[in-house]
Amino acid sequence: KAGVTQTPRYLIKTRGQQVTLSCSPISGHRSVSWYQQTPGQGLQFLFEYFSETQRNKGNFPGRFSGRQFSNSRSEMNVSTLELGDSALYLCASSLAGGSGNSPLHFGNGTRLTVT
Amino acid sequence: AQSVTQLGSHVSVSEGALVLLRCNYSSSVPPYLFWYVQYPNQGLQLLLKYTSAATLVKGINGFEAEFKKSETSFHLTKPSAHMSDAAEYFCAVSDRGSNYQLIWGAGTKLIIKP
Repeated sequence: KAGVTQTPRYLIKTRGQQVTLSCSPISGHRSVSWYQQTPGQGLQFLFEYFSETQRNKGNFPGRFSGRQFSNSRSEMNVSTLELGDSALYLCASSLAGGSGNSPLHFGNGTRLTVT
Repeated sequence: AQSVTQLGSHVSVSEGALVLLRCNYSSSVPPYLFWYVQYPNQGLQLLLKYTSAATLVKGINGFEAEFKKSETSFHLTKPSAHMSDAAEYFCAVSDRGSNYQLIWGAGTKLIIKP
């Protein structure tokens, strides 16, 4: 079974631009979560989608948004990029979502650098 | 609200020595506890999870963790470290109050000395 695929692996953008990251979950997984990972802040939860609906949201500004399609693939968008948005963005899928008893399966991430 | 504390941002052990990575959670017993590992330039991978079936949980790569309610701890151990264990390890607990959303520790980088 193919794992979670994130594209692109690396991205360099300029302050003020916007960016879209893509995530294809494991086949059959209906939940997709997004995380931001930085050396200073560690892993921070952005949002979770389940069956095309946002089920949970972290404490990030409205510049960060996401969506999920009917095939469970997900995208996240960051508008008006700031230098502080430079991070590794991780996508994780799970069968049931909510992370209660359903482990997360992570992709290898997209490394975003904002200059 | 639930919180997770991992003692030591970096832990260094010699190859062949015992690995002990500490994780403490707050307040009442959480329903689920997890350990994940992240190798360089990769995403996180599940090592093991506790779901109240047994207090000692065995995971992949020879790791295990023991749930201790009295100490609110879920420490990760491995009897003998290998060079390939060098990675960052994250403890996570689910939070009833947040619809079982995972609460993550800050992570511990495990360094293996030859």
